[in-house]
Amino acid sequence: QVQFVQSGAEVKRPGASVKVSCKASGYTFSNYAIHWVRQAPGQRLEWMGWVSGDRGNTKYSEKFQGRVTMTRDTSATTAYMELSSLRSEDTAVYYCARFPADAFDMWGQGTMVTVSS
Amino acid sequence: EIVLTQSPGTLSLSPGERATLSCRASQSVSSRYLAWYQQKPGQAPRLLIHGASSRATGIPDRFSGSGSATDFTLSISRLEPEDFAVYYCQQYGSSLYTFGQGTKLEIK
Repeated sequence: QVQFVQSGAEVKRPGASVKVSCKASGYTFSNYAIHWVRQAPGQRLEWMGWVSGDRGNTKYSEKFQGRVTMTRDTSATTAYMELSSLRSEDTAVYYCARFPADAFDMWGQGTMVTVSS
Repeated sequence: EIVLTQSPGTLSLSPGERATLSCRASQSVSSRYLAWYQQKPGQAPRLLIHGASSRATGIPDRFSGSGSATDFTLSISRLEPEDFAVYYCQQYGSSLYTFGQGTKLEIK
């Protein structure tokens, strides 16, 4: 079955960077993009962008352009999301997810990123 | 960017009752790309409805979706204890993906 397993919780200082991984299994990795969605405490879900599974093409939300980098390693069937210049407002749970046709059908378990001095 | 507004913010009902959740878009949304998710505390969202009215795999038939253009509805016909959670609508259009702020369905 399709499954995404994400890396563990992180605590970072303001100004630092964080890199979260998402290991995919149960389907042909190169067929679909991996999306990243975050959820700050008490806030709505927020789409950040995607990285394609085949060529590594990316599309980022304007809000994160310049601060986010999404990559993938096809041999490891793993996608990565790196967010730089962290601030307290980036404290959130970060999810990877798949959007095969018309909705996010499968999600990772989430990675909590805490930004605190 | 299309803004999705859900109502009510909180809905208090008893098991066995019917729930009706609303999602209103700031401009017309393609029905093909309107989805609903359920999220329980400490868990990732779970896809319930896609294409505005199609149930995802394994979703019970007490869940149904309807609507078009700017007004969409998620209905739960007979609430089970496991249905009490937060529900989000989501749309895709013009290469952007946005979510509503959520409706919390709580036990009365």
